[in-house]
Amino acid sequence: GENVGLHLPTLSVQEGDNSIINCAYSNSASDYFIWYKQESGKGPQFIIDIRSNMDKRQGQRVTVLLNKTVKHLSLQIAATQPGDSAVYFCAENSLLGSDKFYFGSGTKLNVKP
Amino acid sequence: KAGVTQTPRYLIKTRGQQVTLSCSPISGHRSVSWYQQTPGQGLQFLFEYFSETQRNKGNFPGRFSGRQFSNSRSEMNVSTLELGDSALYLCASSSGALNTEAFFGQGTRLTVV
Repeated sequence: GENVGLHLPTLSVQEGDNSIINCAYSNSASDYFIWYKQESGKGPQFIIDIRSNMDKRQGQRVTVLLNKTVKHLSLQIAATQPGDSAVYFCAENSLLGSDKFYFGSGTKLNVKP
Repeated sequence: KAGVTQTPRYLIKTRGQQVTLSCSPISGHRSVSWYQQTPGQGLQFLFEYFSETQRNKGNFPGRFSGRQFSNSRSEMNVSTLELGDSALYLCASSSGALNTEAFFGQGTRLTVV
């Protein structure tokens, strides 16, 4: 896949367990964040977003936490399923009125049945 | 509502040739961003178009160019192809408003031989 050469960190979890994927960002001016899921051979798929005026947002089985003090973002997936196996990217938007996103290198989630 | 459509899905070109990739955004979206994804560099921002104008640009050489038409469809062109241009080229569509979701197409896989 596209990310093999990056030596992606890999998180292996058992089916049914909860997963936590972390992301650090460097720009304190970043004010909007998105988590994407990318399966092999496909484009990134939007999962959930959060704005900098929030510290937590929940979706269906997913929760994103934002800690602006330490510039850290996490994605929690509840009751992880085999279909959740993919590479997960966090993306930050650092420019007002622009769709220029900076992407992290990604984390590979491996769900063991 | 149709998603983001990129054509072609796969391309093989030889060094020195030029290539044009196409992206049709989600209906009603006015912003199109292009990204290059490679094993070594991950996802990197190329440029963004909004209302037929380039609104932002990444750090790629002038061989990479793009344009947007009045119907918001966008094309990107790479001239004088190099082996290192082999990558998955992704297009992201959004409304163009501040801090809104960006949705990706499946990408065009370009192989330069």
